[in-house]
Parts: sequence; structure tokens; C-alpha cells
Amino acid sequence: GQQLNQSPQSMFIQEGEDVSMNCTSSSIFNTWLWYKQEPGEGPVLLIALYKAGELTSNGRLTAQFGITRKDSFLNISASIPSDVGIYFCAGQNYGGSQGNLIFGKGTKLSVKP
Amino acid sequence: NAGVTQTPKFQVLKTGQSMTLQCAQDMNHEYMSWYRQDPGMGLRLIHYSVGAGITDQGEVPNGYNVSRSTTEDFPLRLLSAAPSQTSVYFCASRNKAPGGYTFGSGTRLTVV
Repeated sequence: GQQLNQSPQSMFIQEGEDVSMNCTSSSIFNTWLWYKQEPGEGPVLLIALYKAGELTSNGRLTAQFGITRKDSFLNISASIPSDVGIYFCAGQNYGGSQGNLIFGKGTKLSVKP
Repeated sequence: NAGVTQTPKFQVLKTGQSMTLQCAQDMNHEYMSWYRQDPGMGLRLIHYSVGAGITDQGEVPNGYNVSRSTTEDFPLRLLSAAPSQTSVYFCASRNKAPGGYTFGSGTRLTVV
């Protein structure tokens, strides 16, 4: 089946630094999504991208839908301690797959105050 | 508005026991899914449903059963628990429009 490669696997950064993570796929997606998961909780949707080349922001978070439709990027500016968690990318197609999500393995973010 | 509610939050089973993980949503979403999350593996799709009475298999369906008799509820049944089913299970739902799923807070299952 389709697989997503998400990198880096983990990041240890200082408060105030910017963060970048990305996701690549061997096949194209119609939609890219970014989720954040905190300990003991389910993933929470941060940003959804629907068009190739689209750049969307949510506060200090900015995500882009790659022009080839095979990749996506998430940037976090001026990180703060509450940004700690695991960030997942997910790709979505329609038709036969019924819009099911394919997830990357996550990027674990740690922020030092 | 409770969103997606999963019960129980924690469960310990003995090998061979059966149980049902409950999932309910109050957003009138048509699509519902079950995922399992294992360390280093991300989230993998077990079963999904596109509406009441319609279910289908995901990536890792073996050992699990689902049914969808109402729009609100989508229970996941473990038929005969095995240690390999030790995991965190998430239920999720969305409406018909393209976009993201809303997730429950998970059930942490340990099979001994």
C-alpha cells in the first residue's frame, strides 16, 4: 500500500527556534493534512491542504502542499513549550479509498525552555 | 458537543478473551474509522464505514470485527485477544466533504 516518509523522526530544539518537518510519498494525494498528538490524547487536526502549491497558515504554523502532490511541509515559527508533541502528516485520496487517511510515522518535537 | 467518545479508556485482557471497544459520535458524520497506534508505526487503519450498514476492511483487519447499525455508533470487536493486539486504538469520524477526521481520545489495550 501507499507509504509516507516523514522526517525528521525527532527534534530537540530551544524555545524560540523555528521548526521544519516534511512528508514525502511515492504516489500523489488529493489532500494533505497535519495533525498534532499530545500524550494520552488523540490526534488533533492542525491544517488541511486541498490544492497543489497551496500555502496555509494557522497562527505560528504554516504548511504547504507540494507542487508534485507527492510531498508536504510544516513549519512552526518561534516555538514555545506547548508545541511539544508528535506531529503527523496524512495523505488522503477519494474514489476507491473512500477518503481514508494514510499516516506518516510522526515527528516527535521536544522544546527546551 | 462531545465529538467522538471512546470507552473504555484503559483495558487489560487475557489472551483468548473477547471484548468490544465502543465509539460514538454526535456530529452526524457519515464516515467512521478505527485505527491502531503502535510505537514507531504511526496510525494504521483497521476497519472503516461510509454509512450505517456499510463497513470495509483497512490495512490491518485480522482479528477484528465491526458493524454499523446506526450513524452514531461504530463498535470494534476483538474476537479472541492476542498479545499482538496490545496497542492504542483510536476511533475517528468525518462528514462527506474532503478533509480531516476528528479523533477520539483513545483506548489503551493490553493483552497479557
